[in-house]
Amino acid sequence: NAGVTQTPKFQVLKTGQSMTLQCAQDMNHNSMYWYRQDPGMGLRLIYYSASEGTTDKGEVPNGYNVSRLNKREFSLRLESAAPSQTSVYFCASSEKYRDGTDTQYFGPGTRLTVL
Amino acid sequence: AQKITQTQPGMFVQEKEAVTLDCTYDTSDQSYGLFWYKQPSSGEMIFLIYQGSYDEQNATEGRYSLNFQKARKSANLVISASQLGDSAMYFCAMREGRDSSYKLIFGSGTRLLVRP
Repeated sequence: NAGVTQTPKFQVLKTGQSMTLQCAQDMNHNSMYWYRQDPGMGLRLIYYSASEGTTDKGEVPNGYNVSRLNKREFSLRLESAAPSQTSVYFCASSEKYRDGTDTQYFGPGTRLTVL
Repeated sequence: AQKITQTQPGMFVQEKEAVTLDCTYDTSDQSYGLFWYKQPSSGEMIFLIYQGSYDEQNATEGRYSLNFQKARKSANLVISASQLGDSAMYFCAMREGRDSSYKLIFGSGTRLLVRP
């Protein structure tokens, strides 16, 4: 199993350009997430999808859109990139088990620079 | 108010010694989960250990244990017998509530450096 995969690994954009970050998981998890990590900080939630067909805003959603394409895939789109969106983006997925435990598993991250 | 507080920006530990990384949290929910993740210099986030708010015993996973003190709202990570490969950033995170979203709130992290 590959777990959570993300593409691309690195990306440089100019201000105003658009792009889509791709994420896929092969663990059959229902929930998926997009986070950003700025230098010296913890992760902050951008958007999440509790299950296929649903998406909700997290802590820092402005400037982003998401699509839960199917159970496996959850994409993050920047319509008009800004320098403030320079960050490392992580995708994660999780499942809640019968005993109530759940754990989020993360992809390797995408390092995005907006000039 | 910060939900997750990690007061140690950086720490040193001698190889083979134990080290405790502090984490305090703030929530009014009765049901919540606490997590520790490791982020090595390569950048990936690696799940280490989980503690549920109703778990009566402290969680353990190999050399990692979680010192859970509910009344004090603390969930400190203890790493025993430190290894050079333990040098990394460590993040404490909390999941509130029982809803289906399982959103995590992260602390700002502690950078651990293991000295040979």
